[in-house]
Amino acid sequence: AQSVTQLDSQVPVFEEAPVELRCNYSSSVSVYLFWYVQYPNQGLQLLLKYLSGSTLVESINGFEAEFNKSQTSFHLRKPSVHISDTAEYFCAVSNSGGYQKVTFGTGTKLQVIP
Amino acid sequence: ETGVTQSPTHLIKTRGQQVTLRCSSQSGHNTVSWYQQALGQGPQFIFQYYREEENGRGNFPPRFSGLQFPNYSSELNVNALELDDSALYLCASSSWTSGNEQFFGPGTRLTVL
Repeated sequence: AQSVTQLDSQVPVFEEAPVELRCNYSSSVSVYLFWYVQYPNQGLQLLLKYLSGSTLVESINGFEAEFNKSQTSFHLRKPSVHISDTAEYFCAVSNSGGYQKVTFGTGTKLQVIP
Repeated sequence: ETGVTQSPTHLIKTRGQQVTLRCSSQSGHNTVSWYQQALGQGPQFIFQYYREEENGRGNFPPRFSGLQFPNYSSELNVNALELDDSALYLCASSSWTSGNEQFFGPGTRLTVL
């Protein structure tokens, strides 16, 4: 069985400040890791993913996440946030083999304050 | 390339009724997964279909059922609706070549009164 823990349900941060959204996972097998973003009244959009290779992955809009196997973490960071980053962020994990069930965390609401 | 589409966007039903939600997968994807997202929660896996067969199921009762068609589109059926079934239902498509990346539709908002 797999699980994902997002400890922070809400994170307020001032515009242009850095932010870190925390994610820890539990799994007995090799995993793929994802961060999804959800804007109000919309579906989920993939922000970035770790499948293999370099443990540091980046998105096109300045977010990055680092896979840390020893700490079973996949924290999301951005050095300078914008108002448009206000959204809910979900960390997710799936098996690296077999069928593609994705287990999501409970989400973190990022509120960027002008 | 057409993305994942879902219909209807919103739906209101009463307790005890039945509902069918529809999903068209992204071109080239043969796997469809359904998720239930209750208000303030993360999405919960309902089941997955691959080549018209159920390929995995989460912790949902049998009154949640599904179909996948030869063109890989899919339906989610829920019988005997309960108030707690009110949620956003998300469909995601993928393929073995997409590296387990699931592409989500906009969802169907179901309200059960």
